[in-house]
Amino acid sequence: ELKVEQNPLFLSMQEGKNYTIYCNYSTTSDRLYWYRQDPGKSLESLFVLLSNGAVKQEGRLMASLDTKARLSTLHITAAVHDLSATYFCAVLSSGTYKYIFGTGTRLKVLA
Amino acid sequence: NAGVTQTPKFQVLKTGQSMTLQCAQDMNHEYMSWYRQDPGMGLRLIHYSVGAGITDQGEVPNGYNVSRSTTEDFPLRLLSAAPSQTSVYFCASSFRTRGGTGELFFGEGSRLTVL
Repeated sequence: ELKVEQNPLFLSMQEGKNYTIYCNYSTTSDRLYWYRQDPGKSLESLFVLLSNGAVKQEGRLMASLDTKARLSTLHITAAVHDLSATYFCAVLSSGTYKYIFGTGTRLKVLA
Repeated sequence: NAGVTQTPKFQVLKTGQSMTLQCAQDMNHEYMSWYRQDPGMGLRLIHYSVGAGITDQGEVPNGYNVSRSTTEDFPLRLLSAAPSQTSVYFCASSFRTRGGTGELFFGEGSRLTVL
């Protein structure tokens, strides 16, 4: 059974600082997704990572995937207040159509 | 572009009542799914469908029924609501063909309270 773990669960950081969110998963998969959710809102797609070594960047966010280590990272560079949100990773279980989500990382960027 | 549309957005039920959460998408996606979101637990997959007439169970299917008679619609039925089903429900869809990325597109959510 596929398990997806994110850490940290909560992250409070100062503006301008860098930090990394980690997403570990327990079984084989080569498709990993990152989503953002603002309070009371739906989920918005950030990144789609489809192969080992994939790296995607958008603004201050960069995501990478290491399928051998079963690990994805979401790196935040020079955080700004607008990045405050909850970030989820999701893994598509190989050979199935089940997307399993991590518990989310609630990010708060302090001015 | 409507994308994924969920109705209702808010609903209050009494224990034992039944209801249907509606989900419709206009992107011709083969794959549709329902999730529930509870504090501290992320999103958990309830049921999913890979095409009309095909449904399967996710992580937490008990207490919920689904059907998929058309490509566009994927309703979620609660036959006898329980307080444990108080949650925010999201419908999501994607292409499932091999050339697609499998990126999920989400509806705005339906907040359900069972008293």
